[in-house]
Amino acid sequence: DAGVIQSPRHEVTEMGQEVTLRCKPISGHNSLFWYRQTMMRGLELLIYFNNNVPIDDSGMPEDRFSAKMPNASFSTLKIQPSEPRDSAVYFCASSLGRDREQFFGPGTRLTVL
Amino acid sequence: DAKTTQPTSMDCAEGRAANLPCNHSTISGNEYVYWYRQIHSQGPQYIIHGLKNNETNEMASLIITEDRKSSTLILPHATLRDTAVYYCIVRRGNRDDKIIFGKGTRLHILP
Repeated sequence: DAGVIQSPRHEVTEMGQEVTLRCKPISGHNSLFWYRQTMMRGLELLIYFNNNVPIDDSGMPEDRFSAKMPNASFSTLKIQPSEPRDSAVYFCASSLGRDREQFFGPGTRLTVL
Repeated sequence: DAKTTQPTSMDCAEGRAANLPCNHSTISGNEYVYWYRQIHSQGPQYIIHGLKNNETNEMASLIITEDRKSSTLILPHATLRDTAVYYCIVRRGNRDDKIIFGKGTRLHILP
């Protein structure tokens, strides 16, 4: 199994630009999670989906952030417009169920200049 | 949710057992203890979880005290590749409970 796949692995962009991060969960997993990790705040849950439906987006910092899961094998996290404080590593994780162990992808390192 | 307390960092000699403690004195009866680790520049990795009984898998053993207020993760024969941040997490076993990562323990395996 290829595991959770994220792209791009690194993204450098300028303030104000739109950024789209992509995630392919492990085949057969029905729960998908987006996390953000910074030195200051550690690892934070942004949003999670179950069966492609957003269940809890209380961790999404503000309206500039949006996430979609159009089908069971693909999800996106979009930031528009991006700001320097959005610089972080963004992880996607999937699991067989909301209460099961999560498998994390390699992350996307985002730098907003 | 119950919170956990872990030492900020620990050292362990290569080949020895690494014992990582975690305090969760306010844990509820339906809350599980989970352990994840994060090796530098990688995503977190699930290690093991338990409710009351001690658990063992190919990666580690989890020892939970009888009162469930603390637990210990044991890596029986630590290698340099076990150098990572280890997170002890308490969460309910229902489907709507989120994993909340704390600061974890930074484990250094010394050659």
